[in-house]
Amino acid sequence: DGGITQSPKYLFRKEGQNVTLSCEQNLNHDAMYWYRQDPGQGLRLIYYSQIVNDFQKGDIAEGYSVSREKKESFPLTVTSAQKNPTAFYLCASSILLAGARVEQFFGPGTRLTVL
Amino acid sequence: LAKTTQPISMDSYEGQEVNITCSHNNIATNDYITWYQQFPSQGPRFIIQGYKTKVTNEVASLFIPADRKSSTLSLPRVSLSDTAVYYCLVGDLSGGYNKLIFGAGTRLAVHP
Repeated sequence: DGGITQSPKYLFRKEGQNVTLSCEQNLNHDAMYWYRQDPGQGLRLIYYSQIVNDFQKGDIAEGYSVSREKKESFPLTVTSAQKNPTAFYLCASSILLAGARVEQFFGPGTRLTVL
Repeated sequence: LAKTTQPISMDSYEGQEVNITCSHNNIATNDYITWYQQFPSQGPRFIIQGYKTKVTNEVASLFIPADRKSSTLSLPRVSLSDTAVYYCLVGDLSGGYNKLIFGAGTRLAVHP
């Protein structure tokens, strides 16, 4: 099956600890994204990557870090510097086709709770 | 970036047609209009995308007037399972989705 997987589905973390959220896609998509969603709110872009070994900050990158060593993987680390990390985290990917119709596919999400 | 405005919530009944309108007055020439559906605790799911006039697929239709300053997502004969949040996004897709903004969306509640 082609798609995006995120793990774990639920994650609990003690305050002050770093934690890494996994995102893997087998769609052969060039671009990958991380979003954060708070209750009753829309999605906010944390980081995105358009090609391997390159990534850019989104609107709320502070306290987060990413890597893109492989096309299919885009892990997100929530560091202790993120002041309010409890949220629903969504990973997505899309095909880079300039000027053409493009769909963005989302993973099932990881719900992070800081205790 | 084109800002979008959608109703916060809507109610409907099973079997009815639902139309959700999105305003995007400052849409740019290269911008596409994309709609997503999201169920609680799940990732958004792509519904439909268009540039102008009318687009139809197996789940919805998208109506875009000539001035493109608004768009209407039409869901025919909704069922209880269509209860979800619907997002309207507007932007230039040539560089990926990094420039698109997900607002709070429209919460659609379908009643028996």
